[in-house]
Amino acid sequence: QKEVEQNSGPLSVPEGAIASLNCTYSDRGSQSFFWYRQYSGKSPELIMSIYSNGDKEDGRFTAQLNKASQYVSLLIRDSQPSDSATYLCAIHLTDSWGKLQFGAGTQVVVTP
Amino acid sequence: KAGVTQTPRYLIKTRGQQVTLSCSPISGHRSVSWYQQTPGQGLQFLFEYFSETQRNKGNFPGRFSGRQFSNSRSEMNVSTLELGDSALYLCASSNPRDGYTFGSGTRLTVV
Repeated sequence: QKEVEQNSGPLSVPEGAIASLNCTYSDRGSQSFFWYRQYSGKSPELIMSIYSNGDKEDGRFTAQLNKASQYVSLLIRDSQPSDSATYLCAIHLTDSWGKLQFGAGTQVVVTP
Repeated sequence: KAGVTQTPRYLIKTRGQQVTLSCSPISGHRSVSWYQQTPGQGLQFLFEYFSETQRNKGNFPGRFSGRQFSNSRSEMNVSTLELGDSALYLCASSNPRDGYTFGSGTRLTVV
């Protein structure tokens, strides 16, 4: 079992709709959770970080964390064509600051 | 503030050669970590340096090495290059308050 799992997609989302991305992880001691966006040929860009259970909102993005279920999700509201990218879930494992464990990424395609 | 600077952006090397990549972190960040990204394996952790000390290491062969200087700039070296080393190499600068910020990466092609 991979330590961080994401649906690979592609996830096709109509413009203006909500995109829902999921990520599960295996290490119960995981402390910090990040969502990165990566456009083709570019480097990952941090869009959300979340450290405690519950929801965290930033603009059109909402991250949700449930440590009991070992699950973190990202919602993108009012999806725009510019949101078309690969979204990477990354987890910082216990006592290992500096080492991020990444999922394989979910490709999102927003269709006009 | 300035971001993470990686040089060079592109490299083409021949099998058997060695290569050195450079990463300058965000000012004030003392942790620099390196990652390899390939289509088949995704983003994989190579190693992390903090205050010139390697704190964490991923599952890569000894041909992959790194170091960090007193100004927090870091280099990674790959010796005896193989075709499979062709990848995008990313470094991330971090601290607990800011999280991880990636540089633009170095695209290495081994022929």
